Amino acid sequence: GAVVSQHPSRVICKSGTSVKIECRSLDFQATTMFWYRQFPKQSLMLMATSNEGSKATYEQGVEKDKFLINHASLTLSTLTVTSAHPEDSSFYICSASVGGRSYNEQFFGPGTRLTVL
Amino acid sequence: AQRVTQPEKLLSVFKGAPVELKCNYSYSGSPELFWYVQYSRQRLQLLLRHISRESIKGFTADLNKGETSFHLKKPFAQEEDSAMYYCALSRNTGTASKLTFGTGTRLQVTL
Repeated sequence: GAVVSQHPSRVICKSGTSVKIECRSLDFQATTMFWYRQFPKQSLMLMATSNEGSKATYEQGVEKDKFLINHASLTLSTLTVTSAHPEDSSFYICSASVGGRSYNEQFFGPGTRLTVL
Repeated sequence: AQRVTQPEKLLSVFKGAPVELKCNYSYSGSPELFWYVQYSRQRLQLLLRHISRESIKGFTADLNKGETSFHLKKPFAQEEDSAMYYCALSRNTGTASKLTFGTGTRLQVTL
């Protein structure tokens, strides 16, 4: 159990367009979902945390208007990269967990590779 | 601010040799530490957490608060252990428990 999917797995887009990435918990209801970004040969950097039905909390330095997060249900969160530019090219990974304040295991999606031309 | 340091980008060992992947952390609160593993072409998954004090796939990790370390160890490396290993620290923010990852160490086990 505890499977998280992401769609699409790869996306190539032109500069200036917007791209939406979906993150779904397939067999559990995720109270909290997390979005990470990973540059080549670097670590995962947390971008934002979202709880179902409330606004996402962004980490310092992450532009809210650039990376729109919607956590509409307990099984779906979306990340929209608006007006994408080549520097937004990266590997985006989501994770989902049940519970909030005390640590609960995060289950990771397979990631989405975004390439902006 | 919290920080997780993994000093080695690559660790290459022979099959059957002992393995130690280093992890040091800095955190003002009470730390909760984890090791995550990513096998080739697979997603990140939890290997073990310090609270559990368990051995998973022969790996163990002890939290040393004095040295602020959480090194991952295995007495005899296997080929299937080859993967990317990330040390992570959990910080509670009141609304969620967030992870801060180290930069990762690639373990390469050769014959």
